[in-house]
Amino acid sequence: GAGVSQTPSNKVTEKGKYVELRCDPISGHTALYWYRQSLGQGPEFLIYFQGTGAADDSGLPNDRFFAVRPEGSVSTLKIQRTERGDSAVYLCASSLRTDPSTDTQYFGPGTRLTVL
Amino acid sequence: AQRVTQPEKLLSVFKGAPVELKCNYSYSGSPELFWYVQYSRQRLQLLLRHISRESIKGFTADLNKGETSFHLKKPFAQEEDSAMYYCALYSGAGSYQLTFGKGTKLSVIP
Repeated sequence: GAGVSQTPSNKVTEKGKYVELRCDPISGHTALYWYRQSLGQGPEFLIYFQGTGAADDSGLPNDRFFAVRPEGSVSTLKIQRTERGDSAVYLCASSLRTDPSTDTQYFGPGTRLTVL
Repeated sequence: AQRVTQPEKLLSVFKGAPVELKCNYSYSGSPELFWYVQYSRQRLQLLLRHISRESIKGFTADLNKGETSFHLKKPFAQEEDSAMYYCALYSGAGSYQLTFGKGTKLSVIP
């Protein structure tokens, strides 16, 4: 079946602009995660959804970052007043349940964000 | 705070040689450890998790709590093993996030 999809695959924007990144999880997966991967680094956790609610947003770097999942499926990561330091690959993952020790997180291909 | 360290950014080995990708972690509790792999032009995917004690594509990893390590090993490297490998930790302490290392790029020389 279809895996996790993310759109757009690439996004170039100017400093100060607003951007939205979309994630379509695997159908039926209740848990959804956002990670950010900067050049030369491993993925860094941003936020986790269980259903429609953000169960853990401790990884969001500041209040310019916000994410929603209104119907418990598609999620949108929103970044206001973008800065050059926001440039990275934003990864989305989903899992059937919520316990990483027994459940597998399936990753999307990522959105490469470039802030000029 | 939890931390995952992969000391090698790049590891080059000849085909048929043994491979060991190092991973050390710091966490005061009992973590769950994973290895993820990203092949060229593919997405990040789970390779193995320590709780399963399984061998995937000839790779194994043993959790050593005394040395706080979870090294990934394979006795005979294959060209198709060339990829980026990430070690990851799950604390299980009420948060479902994975903490990743910076990754090691494995290059298998034919």
